[in-house]
Amino acid sequence: GQQLNQSPQSMFIQEGEDVSMNCTSSSIFNTWLWYKQDPGEGPVLLIALYKAGELTSNGRLTAQFGITRKDSFLNISASIPSDVGIYFCAGLTASGNTPLVFGKGTRLSVIA
Amino acid sequence: NAGVTQTPKFQVLKTGQSMTLQCAQDMNHNSMYWYRQDPGMGLRLIYYSASEGTTDKGEVPNGYNVSRLNKREFSLRLESAAPSQTSVYFCASSERLRNLGTEAFFGQGTRLTVV
Repeated sequence: GQQLNQSPQSMFIQEGEDVSMNCTSSSIFNTWLWYKQDPGEGPVLLIALYKAGELTSNGRLTAQFGITRKDSFLNISASIPSDVGIYFCAGLTASGNTPLVFGKGTRLSVIA
Repeated sequence: NAGVTQTPKFQVLKTGQSMTLQCAQDMNHNSMYWYRQDPGMGLRLIYYSASEGTTDKGEVPNGYNVSRLNKREFSLRLESAAPSQTSVYFCASSERLRNLGTEAFFGQGTRLTVV
């Protein structure tokens, strides 16, 4: 079953505010990915992380691969209305031969 | 650049009917996947194909079958549709299953309703 705990489940924020969401697991991960899903569309990759401690930015988005390799967070700075959507974390476990596992998503609503 | 293409985009089935969801990718990826998305459940893996000629069960395989027709195409079949299979289905592909190149790219989804 699902191995990733993603929080929060949903967020309502004012335009211009910063946002933070995270994923944790009891297992060690080799890869962390963050996706965004717009309504009616498939998830789109935002950021990929491959090394413990890695901090990567993509515009207003910043994501980090936790030092313990069991967590990752995504920050969005100065939110805008088009940030609305569902954000998913996904990870690849260090052991076994199984594909990516996904968190249950964080639904972000931005109030203008 | 089409990426991952799924057909159809919408489908309504009666309970007991069968159908096949089609997926094709033009990125020369080795690995392909089928997920279903239900409210509050995130993306759950149904089946995957690490490479051409191989398929494996994911988290929720019951009621489904898959065929990796060639490197480009990976189809999902519902032999006898049930209301519990009402969902949005996503196909995805990645360069490989593990390590670098594991990032999955998704199609736009198929919204399936079983009545």
